[in-house]
Amino acid sequence: KNQVEQSPQSLIILEGKNCTLQCNYTVSPFSNLRWYKQDTGRGPVSLTIMTFSENTKSNGRYTATLDADTKQSSLHITASQLSDSASYICVVSAGWTDKLIFGTGTRLQVFP
Amino acid sequence: NAGVTQTPKFQVLKTGQSMTLQCAQDMNHEYMSWYRQDPGMGLRLIHYSVGAGITDQGEVPNGYNVSRSTTEDFPLRLLSAAPSQTSVYFCASSYSDGMNTEAFFGQGTRLTVV
Repeated sequence: KNQVEQSPQSLIILEGKNCTLQCNYTVSPFSNLRWYKQDTGRGPVSLTIMTFSENTKSNGRYTATLDADTKQSSLHITASQLSDSASYICVVSAGWTDKLIFGTGTRLQVFP
Repeated sequence: NAGVTQTPKFQVLKTGQSMTLQCAQDMNHEYMSWYRQDPGMGLRLIHYSVGAGITDQGEVPNGYNVSRSTTEDFPLRLLSAAPSQTSVYFCASSYSDGMNTEAFFGQGTRLTVV
């Protein structure tokens, strides 16, 4: 069964600190892996999209890594800001039709 | 550029009532889809469309209907609302159903069925 699991479920950090969110997946055939940010009461917004051949991709203070062999991905947030408080969702695209399999997300809270 | 627009943002229905959630996109995207988001679960696909006149079922289609008469609009109809349909609904669109295409999401519709 295609699954995407994320850890931790929730995380609290102080402003300015770094953090890393984890994503493990069992999706076949793998097409690409995406990280989305979802603010409370809003729709998800794409941060990165990585294909099988990409190991790392950055978007400002967000850096995603992908290990296709171990089927793991991480999202590293550098120098966190209060505006980083949100849910971060790992999404894996399956097959040729780009069907999206969503993780349950990690809820990040950044405090001053 | 409005992107993906969903209406209404909030709705309360009584069991058995019907309603239509509206979704419109102005990016000329071929692929549109509807998801529901429930606490503790990832977004689940309800229905999707790969172009005007073409729709198909997703993971949780029961109790919902869709149609795609134009490229821009993809309404989701609840035929007879049930409390189990209480959820947040998201509409998304992308250029195609091919690989590596970014999906754009609407702001969501929070539906409560009492």
